[in-house]
Amino acid sequence: AQSVAQPEDQVNVAEGNPLTVKCTYSVSGNPYLFWYVQYPNRGLQFLLKYITGDNLVKGSYGFEAEFNKSQTSFHLKKPSALVSDSALYFCAVPRRSNYQLIWGAGTKLIIKP
Amino acid sequence: EAQVTQNPRYLITVTGKKLTVTCSQNMNHEYMSWYRQDPGLGLRQIYYSMNVEVTDKGDVPEGYKVSRKEKRNFPLILESPSPNQTSLYFCASRATGSGTNEKLFFGSGTQLSVL
Repeated sequence: AQSVAQPEDQVNVAEGNPLTVKCTYSVSGNPYLFWYVQYPNRGLQFLLKYITGDNLVKGSYGFEAEFNKSQTSFHLKKPSALVSDSALYFCAVPRRSNYQLIWGAGTKLIIKP
Repeated sequence: EAQVTQNPRYLITVTGKKLTVTCSQNMNHEYMSWYRQDPGLGLRQIYYSMNVEVTDKGDVPEGYKVSRKEKRNFPLILESPSPNQTSLYFCASRATGSGTNEKLFFGSGTQLSVL
């Protein structure tokens, strides 16, 4: 069955340190992959997507994600974390049967000053 | 400003009392969708619509209804709400030009409590 997993419920990082939020997927073929962010009391916002081509995708707010086909992963990264990056992050991939997005459970990112 | 507008923002109701959550978008998007968000479960799709008068069930459609009479509006109807429908609900829309690689635009959410 197609699925997407975010293995960490929460990630804690000190401000200024690099951050990684993990996502792995189980989808046949060449997937599209997305990251969205949800700030407190807000709707989700698009961060970035992988369609094809360069495995390193750059997105909003200085975030980037690396597509790794052999490890079926699409980890979200940022070189230097800001307190304002604290939010809930979701990874998503379209289901091949009806092209609707399958969502990970979300990872809460906490950046401490 | 391009946006998806949901109302109400917060709603407390009682079991069995019909309610409607409205959703409207001003981007002329063909595709609209409803999700519920529950802790530890991520987003689960309730219903979606590829265009006017075209709706399809998502992963958790039981207990919900939708309609798409106009392109901009996609209301979510709970005919007889139950406590297990207490959740945070999001409406989203996107263009269909490039298919599923188009990004979704989300409303601010509706926190529903069914007592």
